[in-house]
Parts: sequence; structure tokens; C-alpha cells
Amino acid sequence: DSGVTQTPKHLITATGQRVTLRCSPRSGDLSVYWYQQSLDQGLQFLIQYYNGEERAKGNILERFSAQQFPDLHSELNLSSLELGDSALYFCASSAPTGGEKLFFGSGTQLSVL
Amino acid sequence: GENVEQHPSTLSVQEGDSAVIKCTYSDSASNYFPWYKQELGKRPQLIIDIRSNVGEKKDQRIAVTLNKTAKHFSLHITETQPEDSAVYFCAAPDDKIIFGKGTRLHILP
Repeated sequence: DSGVTQTPKHLITATGQRVTLRCSPRSGDLSVYWYQQSLDQGLQFLIQYYNGEERAKGNILERFSAQQFPDLHSELNLSSLELGDSALYFCASSAPTGGEKLFFGSGTQLSVL
Repeated sequence: GENVEQHPSTLSVQEGDSAVIKCTYSDSASNYFPWYKQELGKRPQLIIDIRSNVGEKKDQRIAVTLNKTAKHFSLHITETQPEDSAVYFCAAPDDKIIFGKGTRLHILP
């Protein structure tokens, strides 16, 4: 167990809908990262937050947004869902110092039907 | 860094043989080079990492070597075992942590 908690584990929804994925980082970690992993694909970096502020942005679609709250948990919002958004979404956190080492959650499997 | 190329995409080796996976990066500012292992249906987990002031690091059957001049680093797995079958990802973080596309390693009996 990495200490990073993601909910829900599975999510099934329809095209056009909106969903929210939640992540709680390890105790003491300030950074949260979101990655998308499609079938047989690599880990696509979406966005990073550090202590509530956006730190870095990857190829995140405009239909997607994220935030990190004062208690350091983070939410990834996906709207106007398309079939191609079906993927495994991972959240990871890293320590305040030496923070390049990532600890991943178990992921949220999103299926858009 | 922004661009990390990983080769090969798939690798099959006989159990007991060695496996080598290579990553090439573009950002000279990168100074930390991790390797992650993702078993089927599981989360990626860090297995070994190296910093730029070191040329090689070993941990039992796995090792990472770094050539900063050529901007590449490699994962070496010796005496491969069935449990080494997984997808391996490299990264060369700078302001973002971008991963290579992954290498699917198959250990053949």
C-alpha cells in the first residue's frame, strides 16, 4: 500500500456526462500528480499541484480540470465525456523534499459507454 | 524532461538471462532518473533511481547506469525471473515528470 488513496476504483458512465475523481496523498506529501493510462499505453502526464497551487501542466484537455484543496486532497473533473476518455486515471504524490519519487494510488478505471 | 524515448517497446528474454532497457532524454537539466515497474493490473512502483552525480547504482538483480554526456540511462535486470514480467517505465523529471512509453518485458520459461 503506497498510502495514496483514490476513489472510486471503478466508474462507468455515458458520453456527455461529467465525473469527479478523488485523490488523497500520503500523509505529509504536498504534491499531487494526475496521469492518464489508456489501454496498452503509457502514463500521460495531465497536471501537478503543489500545496494547493498548480505547478505544471501536461496535455490536459480543456474538458478536464483539477484542483487541490487546503487539506491537500485533489479532484480531477472530467466533463463532456467521450468514448476515448475511457482509461485508468492514476494519482501520485511526492514528498516535500527530494520530491521526484512518486507514490501512486491504485487508480480509477473510467469506462465511458 | 519534456522528451523521453524508451526502447524497446517489447522485450522477451529467457528466464535466467539478462534484460536491458534504454531511455534517452533531451533536457540537460535533468539530474534524477527513476525506473518504475507496473505489474498487470497494478500501480506503477519505483524500483530503482539514480542521480546525475553517480554513474551506476545496483540493488540486488537490478541496476541502472547513466551516461550524462550521451543523455541516456539504462535499466539492467540480471538472472531474470517470472516475477520480472511487467511493464517498465523510465522518467527524466524536470519541471514535469514525463514518462517514457514503457517496455513490456516477457520472461519466457
